[in-house]
Amino acid sequence: SYELTQPPSVSVSPGQTARITCSGDALPKKYAYWYQQKSGQAPVLVIYEDSKRPSGIPERFSGSSSGTMATLTISGAQVEDEADYYCYSTDSSGNHPNWVFGGGTKLTVL
Amino acid sequence: QVQLQESGPGLVKPSGTLSLTCAVSGGSISSSNWWSWIRQPPGKGLEWIGEIYHSGSTNYNPSLKSRVTISVDKSKNQFSLKLSSVTAADTAVYYCARITSGYWGQGTLVTVSS
Repeated sequence: SYELTQPPSVSVSPGQTARITCSGDALPKKYAYWYQQKSGQAPVLVIYEDSKRPSGIPERFSGSSSGTMATLTISGAQVEDEADYYCYSTDSSGNHPNWVFGGGTKLTVL
Repeated sequence: QVQLQESGPGLVKPSGTLSLTCAVSGGSISSSNWWSWIRQPPGKGLEWIGEIYHSGSTNYNPSLKSRVTISVDKSKNQFSLKLSSVTAADTAVYYCARITSGYWGQGTLVTVSS
């Protein structure tokens, strides 16, 4: 079955740049989406279609994709950005796509 | 603004069937979107369960496909999840969502226990 691989944890100091990666064989052909989830809350979409930012999401959040890897970048990470981050994408199956979430990355900002 | 709200029993007995409904407001379920179910076991990551289009077309997670049925009721602007033969491993917060658009319900905890 299809898998998206993320690092379990990333740690940065406030003001530094945090990069969270997501690896998947179908990413050259399929968009990646990124979700932020804080403890006890529903996930929030921070990046869609590899690099687009929904309204209301701070400009410090950006996304990119190259080859089999998508990357979420938080430029000048803030303490309030501390959360779990999940990538989301699909495999290349034709008529019945299989969507998957990455395992999640815990971002620590301290 | 599209809003989603999950409803259903919070406790299901082992070997029983978990049934949840997601009511959609602020938009039509007949719009050109897929509507999904996702779950999250306590302390673990997100797992995609499956999705449905207003036409009734579905896609399911292969690991759950044999136990999952997702259906849509356009007259009530809602869609539903049934998961059969549940065990304790199915205990999780269940979310309904329009995932790629960023619209999620707040989630509902379903516990499988006798």
